[in-house]
Amino acid sequence: EAGVAQSPRYKIIEKRQSVAFWCNPISGHATLYWYQQILGQGPKLLIQFQNNGVVDDSQLPKDRFSAERLKGVDSTLKIQPAKLEDSAVYLCASSLWTAGFDGYTFGSGTRLTVV
Amino acid sequence: TQLLEQSPQFLSIQEGENLTVYCNSSSVFSSLQWYRQEPGEGPVLLVTVVTGGEVKKLKRLTFQFGDARKDSSLHITAAQTGDTGLYLCAGFLSGNTPLVFGKGTRLSVIA
Repeated sequence: EAGVAQSPRYKIIEKRQSVAFWCNPISGHATLYWYQQILGQGPKLLIQFQNNGVVDDSQLPKDRFSAERLKGVDSTLKIQPAKLEDSAVYLCASSLWTAGFDGYTFGSGTRLTVV
Repeated sequence: TQLLEQSPQFLSIQEGENLTVYCNSSSVFSSLQWYRQEPGEGPVLLVTVVTGGEVKKLKRLTFQFGDARKDSSLHITAAQTGDTGLYLCAGFLSGNTPLVFGKGTRLSVIA
């Protein structure tokens, strides 16, 4: 089966600019996650979708970050305006269900550098 | 506050040696997972442990879930250069909460 697709792979922007990342999860996976992984740290959840509804966005900096999952499939994550501390890898993951012990399937991530 | 503490942070060993990495918490988890991440890639699931005291083996890798479901360990026997990577433990606090990750153990196996 095809994996989780993410684009772009790399992005360099200046601070205060905006940027958007795209994710296409595994077909049939109802739940989609965006994680932020800062260098030297483990992934930190930004937002979780169940189909096209938000389940958890408690750690999303809503003054600058936004995300949507239209039609319950693809998702985009946007940062506007970007700050230096947003430099990180943004990982998208999907799983079959919200509850339970399913493993997550991750994409390769988008490495963002803010200069 | 880091819910899952992993140790050591870095480990460099010779090929053929054995090693153990640890994942500890003061919280009880309904299950724990271990992932391996290579540079430029996303984490890949290795195993899920659900029952306290559970031991799972995956070839040369042995995973254990603590009796109280607060900790886990990963033991690698006769490490190979292909084992090099970032090992992440992650857990579900309950069946309805998303996965939380530790900071990882970066393993380097030298030929």
